Amino acid sequence: ETGVTQSPTHLIKTRGQQVTLRCSSQSGHNTVSWYQQALGQGPQFIFQYYREEENGRGNFPPRFSGLQFPNYSSELNVNALELDDSALYLCASSFHTNTGELFFGEGSRLTVL
Amino acid sequence: AQSVAQPEDQVNVAEGNPLTVKCTYSVSGNPYLFWYVQYPNRGLQFLLKYITGDNLVKGSYGFEAEFNKSQTSFHLKKPSALVSDSALYFCAVRPISSGSARQLTFGSGTQLTVLP
Repeated sequence: ETGVTQSPTHLIKTRGQQVTLRCSSQSGHNTVSWYQQALGQGPQFIFQYYREEENGRGNFPPRFSGLQFPNYSSELNVNALELDDSALYLCASSFHTNTGELFFGEGSRLTVL
Repeated sequence: AQSVAQPEDQVNVAEGNPLTVKCTYSVSGNPYLFWYVQYPNRGLQFLLKYITGDNLVKGSYGFEAEFNKSQTSFHLKKPSALVSDSALYFCAVRPISSGSARQLTFGSGTQLTVLP
């Protein structure tokens, strides 16, 4: 286990609703990244937070937003849910070094009906 | 923009035989390269990384990977496969020049099945 915890593990929403996913990073890690993994695909980078600020973003619309808190935990918020948002959402923490690997949580599986 | 190709969706190998999972990449400049493994309904687990230096990188669970700059490849290998190695394997790349961003670009994954 990596020490990265995510909640909830599973959730079901309907189109148009909003969702908040939470992540506690591994002890000592100060950088958090979020990835979306659609069924049968590799993870896609959503964004990264360091020192409570977003410092990298992938090709996702503004309705995907996030927060990082002083204890380095993080939230991913998705507004106006669409059916294509159904996916496994992975949180990863790391040290803020150039060569550091990412440590992933187990993910939150979101189903949008 | 960087990209990763894993040309085989599925690799089957008999237990005890050597295994290879292929990965090629495209990136501007020099890359950092990673392999991750994913078991059903689980997150990704780090296996190994190439940063610089020796082209043969050794990682967890007896896996190793060979970096080939001229072929832009980073194939994952293991001398003797175990049934417990059956899982989904992802190759990922990040350009050294990416600065503070830790964005990884992943391939589409290769399902490895080791047959008893």
